[in-house]
Amino acid sequence: QVHLLESGGGVVQPGKSLTLSCAASGFTFSSYPMSWVRLAPGKGLEWVAGVSYDGSYKSYADSVKGRFTVSRDDSAKSLSLHMESLRVEDTAIYYCARGSPVWAVYYYYVDVWGEGTTVTVS
Amino acid sequence: IVLTQSPGTLSLSPGERATLSCRASERVSAEQLAWYQQKPGQAPRLLIYGASRRATGIPDTFSGSGSETEFTLTISRVEPADCAVYYCLQYGSPPFSFGQGTKLE
Repeated sequence: QVHLLESGGGVVQPGKSLTLSCAASGFTFSSYPMSWVRLAPGKGLEWVAGVSYDGSYKSYADSVKGRFTVSRDDSAKSLSLHMESLRVEDTAIYYCARGSPVWAVYYYYVDVWGEGTTVTVS
Repeated sequence: IVLTQSPGTLSLSPGERATLSCRASERVSAEQLAWYQQKPGQAPRLLIYGASRRATGIPDTFSGSGSETEFTLTISRVEPADCAVYYCLQYGSPPFSFGQGTKLE
């Protein structure tokens, strides 16, 4: 079945860097756009970053633009989020999420979610 | 695009109808709006996409409607298992954005 497994979360000091990874299985990873979404304590969902199915288009929330970089490795069926200059307000559960429909470049909704990995900036 | 959801909290009795609103600051093109349900400690679950299309496995008690800047999620008869926070997401204009959520009690 379709499965997304995040890893790489932990406790990090403000200003430091951290890279999250997401291992995908159960579907043709290279055909789908992918995203990262986060849930901060006591807050609502926030869309963080996304990449088109072919890697040609990436977009970022204003709150992370210039600090976070999303990338994909289709051969490894893996999605990454490299986070730099971390701030206390980046503390959250980070979800890896599959987009739909297939072959979408610019416009896609999230249809499958991982269980999340927790990042604490303190 | 900024999405504003109302009410913040909705308290109902089993069997009642729930109406959740999502208002966009700009027109959402091609009705590219989705709804999600999230329970504590769980990942979100897709309910509706394309403003009105039910996702696979979602019962017909959940329905979505609306266009342009006004969208609605309706649960025809709520039950205790529906207690959760509900979010709308616009995916018609990158970067995408969620509403702040409506908590259903």
